[in-house]
Amino acid sequence: RKEVEQDPGPFNVPEGATVAFNCTYSNSASQSFFWYRQDCRKEPKLLMSVYSSGNEDGRFTAQLNRASQYISLLIRDSKLSDSATYLCAVLNDYKLSFGAGTTVTVRA
Amino acid sequence: EAGVVQSPRYKIIEKKQPVAFWCNPISGHNTLYWYLQNLGQGPELLIRYENEEAVDDSQLPKDRFSAERLKGVDSTLKIQPAELGDSAVYLCASKPEMNTGELFFGEGSRLTVL
Repeated sequence: RKEVEQDPGPFNVPEGATVAFNCTYSNSASQSFFWYRQDCRKEPKLLMSVYSSGNEDGRFTAQLNRASQYISLLIRDSKLSDSATYLCAVLNDYKLSFGAGTTVTVRA
Repeated sequence: EAGVVQSPRYKIIEKKQPVAFWCNPISGHNTLYWYLQNLGQGPELLIRYENEEAVDDSQLPKDRFSAERLKGVDSTLKIQPAELGDSAVYLCASKPEMNTGELFFGEGSRLTVL
């Protein structure tokens, strides 16, 4: 079983829609969780950290469910510029492991 | 402030040839990573350095891959000999010592092995 698994999508949504997707992790002792964004043929960049209580950054909301070992990302009022691959990342003992990414395409 | 710098950006070689990638992390970042990313996959850790020490190289295929960070600053990743399956993007990343999860990635070195 992979350490971090994601639904690859793609999620094709119209502008203004809400899109949400999850990421599961296998190590229950994982310490920290993150969402990274990767544009086509670019490097990954940190989008947001995921806190136990859940957190919001503008139109983006991240949630952590330790009992079920998954994290989620919700994007409200989708913009064309949100089109990207979203990588889930999990920190275990200083090692940051990534999922394969979920591709989101926002259409006009 | 300059970001993580990698070179070359693109490299095309024939199988069995050697290849080397160079990375200069952000100034002051003690931790340096090399990741490999295949198309449609997430980055996979090859090696992690804390200053000049390789603290996690368990995923590095040591029969053909080697890496060094002699002075604890820039780093080189080498493949010798390259195989067709090594075609991928090699990403270097760095982070400050106290920061836990935000890695700063370079633009990557895209390798094509023919």
